[in-house]
Amino acid sequence: KQEVTQIPAALSVPEGENLVLNCSFTDSAIYNLQWFRQDPGKGLTSLLLIQSSQREQTSGRLNASLDKSSGRSTLYIAASQPGDSATYLCAPPGPGNTPLVFGKGTRLSVIA
Amino acid sequence: SAVISQKPSRDICQRGTSLTIQCQVDSQVTMMFWYRQQPGQSLTLIATANQGSEATYESGFVIDKFPISRPNLTFSTLTVSNMSPEDSSIYLCSVIQEDGSGYTFGSGTRLTVV
Repeated sequence: KQEVTQIPAALSVPEGENLVLNCSFTDSAIYNLQWFRQDPGKGLTSLLLIQSSQREQTSGRLNASLDKSSGRSTLYIAASQPGDSATYLCAPPGPGNTPLVFGKGTRLSVIA
Repeated sequence: SAVISQKPSRDICQRGTSLTIQCQVDSQVTMMFWYRQQPGQSLTLIATANQGSEATYESGFVIDKFPISRPNLTFSTLTVSNMSPEDSSIYLCSVIQEDGSGYTFGSGTRLTVV
């Protein structure tokens, strides 16, 4: 069974800071891992998809890394902005590449 | 990538009634997934819906409570039946992109049962 842990659970930072969100998962036999953003009461917006053959993926101010062997992924956000305030979810697939499994997320608040 | 239209976006329902949530995808997809997100919790998979076959439910979810239809490759519905306040959650549908670009989610249905 795939289990996902995200640390920290919540984070409050001043605008402009660089920050790192951590994700660990128990089943490392994954094909890829996806990071999402969720605004309060809303659906999920895909941020980055990292294939198992990649070590990292970048999109704008976001950079995600994947270390399958240790069961870890990190999401790096550069020069944070108030608009980045949201919950960030890490989601690897379940065993046998079954549908995504989610942790509880990291709730980020960027203060202007 | 596929775009999902999910309706309704929110609803307040009386206990004992049922609500049907719809997801329309702008392209054909093989598999669709339904998730529940209870207040303050993460997403939990309810079931996987393939066109032309019965949905496959995860442990703790049953067809009588959460019947699912998948009449074609672009549409699915989830019904929350005989609702109680414990069913108050955000319900989301999702598809896996056929081009290998990962999963896409609908905008969610925020359900409150009173």
